[in-house]
Amino acid sequence: GDSVTQMEGPVTLSEEAFLTINCTYTATGYPSLFWYVQYPGEGLQLLLKATKADDKGSNKGFEATYRKETTSFHLEKGSVQVSDSAVYFCALSSGNTPLVFGKGTRLSVIA
Amino acid sequence: NAGVTQTPKFQVLKTGQSMTLQCAQDMNHNSMYWYRQDPGMGLRLIYYSASEGTTDKGEVPNGYNVSRLNKREFSLRLESAAPSQTSVYFCASSEDQGVANTQYFGPGTRLTVL
Repeated sequence: GDSVTQMEGPVTLSEEAFLTINCTYTATGYPSLFWYVQYPGEGLQLLLKATKADDKGSNKGFEATYRKETTSFHLEKGSVQVSDSAVYFCALSSGNTPLVFGKGTRLSVIA
Repeated sequence: NAGVTQTPKFQVLKTGQSMTLQCAQDMNHNSMYWYRQDPGMGLRLIYYSASEGTTDKGEVPNGYNVSRLNKREFSLRLESAAPSQTSVYFCASSEDQGVANTQYFGPGTRLTVL
């Protein structure tokens, strides 16, 4: 079945550091790919998405490019802030099936 | 717009007790979902409802039942709670179940079963 693998955390960075969180997927067909973010004590919210190969999703300084050849959708940000501290989930949707989530990566940014 | 609302926010049960988690959305969405979140496990789908009048099992349905009461409301029932059901429960909704549709999440219910 479909699955998502993302790097295990926690990831701890200093403010203004570069962030990469790796995400790879296995899916039949042509999935859409998502990054969701969960701030402490809250539900998940969509950060960005891409619906076809080579699409780049971007939001709030975060970017991810849908790479079909490497089945990847890595999340990047050039300069993280303390307010980016959260748990980040990679997810995919294929056909008419509900989202399949990775296990999440906790990011802590220290001043 | 309130988005997706869940009640209660916190609940403590004893083993064997029953309870219903309530979820409502005001975005006129067709599809609704229940997930549980456990440390190190990500989110796992319990049940979903692709449209009003339909429900389907997800990855971890055992010990749960659901009711899609109307287009707005989707409840999750634990008939006989067990400690293994201690978790944070999230309800979500989406316009429909198309592949590109964004899911919108509620704030969660933190359930402890003693």
